Amino acid sequence: GDSVTQMEGPVTLSEEAFLTINCTYTATGYPSLFWYVQYPGEGLQLLLKATKADDKGSNKGFEATYRKETTSFHLEKGSVQVSDSAVYFCALSDRVGTGKLIFGQGTTLQVKP
Amino acid sequence: DAGVIQSPRHEVTEMGQEVTLRCKPISGHNSLFWYRQTMMRGLELLIYFNNNVPIDDSGMPEDRFSAKMPNASFSTLKIQPSEPRDSAVYFCASIPGPTSESTQARRNEQFFGPGTRLTVL
Repeated sequence: GDSVTQMEGPVTLSEEAFLTINCTYTATGYPSLFWYVQYPGEGLQLLLKATKADDKGSNKGFEATYRKETTSFHLEKGSVQVSDSAVYFCALSDRVGTGKLIFGQGTTLQVKP
Repeated sequence: DAGVIQSPRHEVTEMGQEVTLRCKPISGHNSLFWYRQTMMRGLELLIYFNNNVPIDDSGMPEDRFSAKMPNASFSTLKIQPSEPRDSAVYFCASIPGPTSESTQARRNEQFFGPGTRLTVL
């Protein structure tokens, strides 16, 4: 079945460092891909999304490109801030269009000043 | 828009007691999802509804868990009797329905509530 695999955390970076969180997926068809972020004590919220191959999603300085050839959707940010400390989830949409999302296991990012 | 509303935000109860978690989806959304999040198991989908009808409850861990959606603006997740291993954060999420043109519209982001932190002693 469809699945999402994220790099294991926690990821610890200094402020202003470059961030990459790897995400690869297995799916038949053409799912949409998402990154969600969960700040401490809160629910998940959508960070960015891409609906077709080669699309780039971006928001708040974060970017991810839908790469069909490598089945990847890596999250990047050029300069992280302490406020980016959170758990990041990669997800793909259920291929039969139910609205279900298949989530990765989450990657914890800690940014130190 | 108020977003997805969950209550209570925190619940502490004793083993064996009944627990009811509540969710109000965003107005106009017609699909609702219940998740459980723990350190050990991560984020798990328990059940989801479409137009108030349960579509997939394969993630419900045991018969002690039940969920209902009596109308488009309210859903409950009940645990009876509760056990310490049920301690977790429970999230509710909703999405809008598809447009008449294409099921592509189903591929929208889920809107999550703030969660209910359940502790069973």
